[in-house]
Amino acid sequence: AQSVTQLGSHVSVSEGALVLLRCNYSSSVPPYLFWYVQYPNQGLQLLLKYTTGATLVKGINGFEAEFKKSETSFHLTKPSAHMSDAAEYFCAVSPRGSYKLIFGSGTRLLVRP
Amino acid sequence: DGGITQSPKYLFRKEGQNVTLSCEQNLNHDAMYWYRQDPGQGLRLIYYSQIVNDFQKGDIAEGYSVSREKKESFPLTVTSAQKNPTAFYLCASQGGSVRNTEAFFGQGTRLTVV
Repeated sequence: AQSVTQLGSHVSVSEGALVLLRCNYSSSVPPYLFWYVQYPNQGLQLLLKYTTGATLVKGINGFEAEFKKSETSFHLTKPSAHMSDAAEYFCAVSPRGSYKLIFGSGTRLLVRP
Repeated sequence: DGGITQSPKYLFRKEGQNVTLSCEQNLNHDAMYWYRQDPGQGLRLIYYSQIVNDFQKGDIAEGYSVSREKKESFPLTVTSAQKNPTAFYLCASQGGSVRNTEAFFGQGTRLTVV
């Protein structure tokens, strides 16, 4: 069965530092890939997605992610963290040919002043 | 404005009661989803529906039921058979026939058993 693994339930960075949140999926056929952000007691908002084409995807708020088929990864990065980036981030996959949308367990990003 | 609306925002349930969470969307989306969120466990899929009058069980469907009588609506009933229903519930919808589009989420319902 398709699964998503997010390494690290909590990541802490200093303001201005690089943000790296890791996501790996298990599938022989690359699925559609998504990153979502969630602020406390809110729904989820899409940051970016990969479907086909260019493997480096740019999203909102300065985030980007790179699809690496050989590593079955879709890590999320941002060059310089801002205090407002503190939130929980979810990686999600949708197997091609299916409506099923599967989420990882999430990574809480803490940004230190 | 187009969007997806969940109600109520907070819900309290007594032991042994069934409760129904509402989810309505005016985005003309075909697919709709219900997820349960617990701390440290991410979002777990309860049920999803691709079209009206059809739905499939997700990973944790036991103790829950759904219906999809209208395209706009996908209510979730938490039955008394669900032994640990206290959680944050999120509804989502996904657009049209293009299955690689993103899902849009409601603001969630926090259910507490009292």
